[in-house]
Amino acid sequence: AQSVSQHNHHVILSEAASLELGCNYSYGGTVNLFWYVQYPGQHLQLLLKYFSGDPLVKGIKGFEAEFIKSKFSFNLRKPSVQWSDTAEYFCAVTLSGTYKYIFGTGTRLKVLA
Amino acid sequence: GAGVSQSPSNKVTEKGKDVELRCDPISGHTALYWYRQSLGQGLEFLIYFQGNSAPDKSGLPSDRFSAERTGGSVSTLTIQRTQQEDSAVYLCASSLGGGVGNEQFFGPGTRLTVL
Repeated sequence: AQSVSQHNHHVILSEAASLELGCNYSYGGTVNLFWYVQYPGQHLQLLLKYFSGDPLVKGIKGFEAEFIKSKFSFNLRKPSVQWSDTAEYFCAVTLSGTYKYIFGTGTRLKVLA
Repeated sequence: GAGVSQSPSNKVTEKGKDVELRCDPISGHTALYWYRQSLGQGLEFLIYFQGNSAPDKSGLPSDRFSAERTGGSVSTLTIQRTQQEDSAVYLCASSLGGGVGNEQFFGPGTRLTVL
């Protein structure tokens, strides 16, 4: 069965540190990839998405993610985190031609001021 | 404009009781999804509605779970004879269409606690 793995369940960083959250999926076909974020007390919201084209995707708030097909990965990065980035981050995959999202278990990021 | 709304925000119930959770999608969105988020777990797909098509119920964990969508808008997720393992946050999302290119907009969720 298709799955999405987020290996880092909890990450603690100091402000200005660089961030990379891992996301790997298991599916050999064409996929669409997403990162969602849930700030404390708020709804899940889309951070960025990849459908095709440039594998380096820019999202909101300075986040970016790189799709590496050979590694089945879509890691999320930010060069310098802020306290306001404290949130839970979810990677998700849809198989091409389908609407069903497969979500990872999420990574809780805490940024220390 | 208004986002996806869900009610109630919190529900505490006793084991064996039935519960109904409501979702109001964004106006004009034809696709509606229900997910379950359990502690330490990712979002688990439950059911999908798209327009007037038959819903995809493949994610419902048991026959105690059912959902309907009236008039292509409001949806109700019903859990009969609740069990403690049903305790979770139930999230609803809607999108303009069922296509992959359509972003899902999530509601705030309903936190269900079964005692």
